[in-house]
Amino acid sequence: NAGVTQTPKFQVLKTGQSMTLQCAQDMNHEYMSWYRQDPGMGLRLIHYSVGAGITDQGEVPNGYNVSRSTTEDFPLRLLSAAPSQTSVYFCASSYSSSGTGELFFGEGSRLTVL
Amino acid sequence: SQQGEEDPQALSIQEGENATMNCSYKTSINNLQWYRQNSGRGLVHLILIRSNEREKHSGRLRVTLDTSKKSSSLLITASRAADTASYFCATLGTGGFKTIFGAGTRLFVKA
Repeated sequence: NAGVTQTPKFQVLKTGQSMTLQCAQDMNHEYMSWYRQDPGMGLRLIHYSVGAGITDQGEVPNGYNVSRSTTEDFPLRLLSAAPSQTSVYFCASSYSSSGTGELFFGEGSRLTVL
Repeated sequence: SQQGEEDPQALSIQEGENATMNCSYKTSINNLQWYRQNSGRGLVHLILIRSNEREKHSGRLRVTLDTSKKSSSLLITASRAADTASYFCATLGTGGFKTIFGAGTRLFVKA
């Protein structure tokens, strides 16, 4: 099993551009989530999903969209990138649909917005 | 806002010594988890302790939970240089779904 796979690993955007960070897991996990990590602030939850077709907001959802059309994939969309969205983004999944189990993380996507 | 806060922010010890990291949180929890992150990598789950548990062990790791004080501690015994990493506590509230992370403790183990 590959676990949780994130692409791309690195991306540079200009302010106002849009892009999608991809996340895929091959563990048949119902629960998936996106976090961003900024220096000195730990990880902050952006959005999460408890199954195909079901998503909800986390702590810092503004500026980000998600959808979940399959169990395996949970893409994160930035519609109009801002410098404040420069961060490292992590996707995570859990076997528990309510997120009560351990989280399995991808290796991260480092995004720079100029 | 962050639920968990780790203390200390950074810790430097010699190989073979024990390392203790503390975590405080604000609201009632379903469980508390500890994760490890090596520089530039994703987080790796270490241990999960449920709200009705007081202590849990896994290899050289010992986690305690005091729900009355809303605090937890992670003890790494006989530390090794390879334990050098950032350690995060994370809490899941009683409503489920949202695991919230603290800012982490940076541990440096000198060989």
